[in-house]
Amino acid sequence: AQSVAQPEDQVNVAEGNPLTVKCTYSVSGNPYLFWYVQYPNRGLQFLLKYITGDNLVKGSYGFEAEFNKSQTSFHLKKPSALVSDSALYFCAVRANSNSGYALNFGKGTSLLVTP
Amino acid sequence: EAGVAQSPRYKIIEKRQSVAFWCNPISGHATLYWYQQILGQGPKLLIQFQNNGVVDDSQLPKDRFSAERLKGVDSTLKIQPAKLEDSAVYLCASSPGLYSNQPQHFGDGTRLSIL
Repeated sequence: AQSVAQPEDQVNVAEGNPLTVKCTYSVSGNPYLFWYVQYPNRGLQFLLKYITGDNLVKGSYGFEAEFNKSQTSFHLKKPSALVSDSALYFCAVRANSNSGYALNFGKGTSLLVTP
Repeated sequence: EAGVAQSPRYKIIEKRQSVAFWCNPISGHATLYWYQQILGQGPKLLIQFQNNGVVDDSQLPKDRFSAERLKGVDSTLKIQPAKLEDSAVYLCASSPGLYSNQPQHFGDGTRLSIL
C-alpha cells in the first residue's frame, strides 16, 4: 500500500530561520507526492506536488520540497520562516488503484514559528 | 473560481442521532471525495465519486454511513445513527477527473461533535 510517514509531531523554528518538515514514503512504483497546509478551522490548501521531473519542486508561499529517491524522502523546506507559516502540514501520496487517485495522508506536523 | 463549499461548518448532536453534511464541488470537477479527519490524524478517505457513480467506498462504515451524488454535482454524506467515535472533521474535496494530475481542492470541512 502507498503510505507516507511524518516522524515529527511538532517543529519549532524562529522567524527568519530556515525550516524543514520531514516526510518519508513507501510506495510500489513511481511515487506521486503532495504537501498540503491546514490553518485552524480551515480545509487543506495545496502547496506543491512531485509527479516526475526535477527533484526540487517549488510551490506556493515560498515553499519547496526535495524529492530524494534513495532516501525515500520528500521533505518540505522554506529558506526563511514567517510567523504566518505556523500551521499543520500534511504530506500525502497518491493511492494507486483502479479507482482513481485518492490520497493517503501522513498524520501531520504542527509547525510553530516564533517571533 | 469558487472553491469547494461545505455546510454546515459545525454540528453538535447526541449519540444515536442522525446528521447530514452537504458539499458542492468546484464547477466542472467530475471527481468528489469525502474524507474523515479525526483530531491528531491525517484525513482518511471515506468515499470517492466519479460523476454520479461510486468508484471507491471500501473504507466507508456502511452500517451507519451513506453518501450520494445523485446528479453528479453536489453530494450529501449521512451518518445514522452516530457514535461517539464519529466525532471528527468531515472534509469534501474535488478534482477535475479520476486520473487527473491536478491536485485535489478541499472545502473548509464540517466539524462534528457527538455528545
